[in-house]
Amino acid sequence: GEDVEQSLFLSVREGDSSVINCTYTDSSSTYLYWYKQEPGAGLQLLTYIFSNMDMKQDQRLTVLLNKKDKHLSLRIADTQTGDSAIYFCAALGNYQLIWGAGTKLIIKP
Amino acid sequence: EAGVAQSPRYKIIEKRQSVAFWCNPISGHATLYWYQQILGQGPKLLIQFQNNGVVDDSQLPKDRFSAERLKGVDSTLKIQPAKLEDSAVYLCASSLVVTSGGYNEQFFGPGTRLTVL
Repeated sequence: GEDVEQSLFLSVREGDSSVINCTYTDSSSTYLYWYKQEPGAGLQLLTYIFSNMDMKQDQRLTVLLNKKDKHLSLRIADTQTGDSAIYFCAALGNYQLIWGAGTKLIIKP
Repeated sequence: EAGVAQSPRYKIIEKRQSVAFWCNPISGHATLYWYQQILGQGPKLLIQFQNNGVVDDSQLPKDRFSAERLKGVDSTLKIQPAKLEDSAVYLCASSLVVTSGGYNEQFFGPGTRLTVL
């Protein structure tokens, strides 16, 4: 079946850029999403990209999509302590989202 | 605008007991989802409603889990009897009407953390 994969952890220094990667298997996915989950909180949509786009920028966030390789990345510029969270990649299939296991972003002072 | 409400926030039960979770979606959202999120994993869709009809319940363990959305608004998810492996966070989400391949922002509630002892 469809699958979405992410690395489990990423550690960066405060002020550096963070790049979280994701691969997916369903080439017909129309939308790809990045959600953020902070401890004890629900999932919050950060950004999304439509499959006919290569890049989307929104303030400190940049999403890159390589449709040929089915690879999605989220870049967070000038990473702050408030960015500590788990980041989930999700791909929209026919009617439902297929989720990755999440990447925990750890910020070093 | 009020978000998705869920209760209770935490629940501890013993195996073989029953438990129920409640969700109130964002007003006007026709689609409601229940997800199970086991520690260290992404959310797994259990059931999806559009209004009060079931769109997808293929991953719902129907021998012990049930869900309803009688008036197309609030929903309850029940587990009876609970097993140890049901320990997880149960997330409710809602969205506007979903069309195949269409944009679908799901808004999530804070979840109910269930511990089965």
